[in-house]
Amino acid sequence: EAQVTQNPRYLITVTGKKLTVTCSQNMNHEYMSWYRQDPGLGLRQIYYSMNVEVTDKGDVPEGYKVSRKEKRNFPLILESPSPNQTSLYFCASSSGTVYEQYFGPGTRLTVT
Amino acid sequence: GENVEQHPSTLSVQEGDSAVIKCTYSDSASNYFPWYKQELGKRPQLIIDIRSNVGEKKDQRIAVTLNKTAKHFSLHITETQPEDSAVYFCAASDKLVFGAGTILRVKS
Repeated sequence: EAQVTQNPRYLITVTGKKLTVTCSQNMNHEYMSWYRQDPGLGLRQIYYSMNVEVTDKGDVPEGYKVSRKEKRNFPLILESPSPNQTSLYFCASSSGTVYEQYFGPGTRLTVT
Repeated sequence: GENVEQHPSTLSVQEGDSAVIKCTYSDSASNYFPWYKQELGKRPQLIIDIRSNVGEKKDQRIAVTLNKTAKHFSLHITETQPEDSAVYFCAASDKLVFGAGTILRVKS
């Protein structure tokens, strides 16, 4: 079954404690991206990757890191989480930016 | 960069009526305009998209129109049903800048 998976689905953590949200796709997609969703603000892109070892900043990259060592995986790293990073996070993959984006199930992160 | 504005933020319609959601964009170079539907607690899913070489696209009860001169595009849902209740997002450009979303409620 073609899918995008994210883990964990829910996470409550404290300020400053490093965390990683994993994202994996099995569709051999070259393009992967991370979004955060906040009420009234829609989906804002954090980082994207056009292919292995190629990543670039989206609209709201501050406080986040990513890596793309393998085609199927695109983890999101928060080195020192802060309360303003409390949000719903979605990973997505596709054949490119002008094609259908397949979203993961989302990760709800709370930073206290 | 691209800026996308979406209206209205909430929309309530009676079952069977039509619903229209409008988006405007700023970058005249944008040439791809998808619409995503997000049901409560679920992930966004593509429902229809349009490219700049066409003015209208239809898929059963859903249609999208594009006016490149005015830089706006709209989602039209006819004969609305309760299962159409969701948040709808428009997006523009190859960088996929999303609008803020429209909460559609279909009252039965």
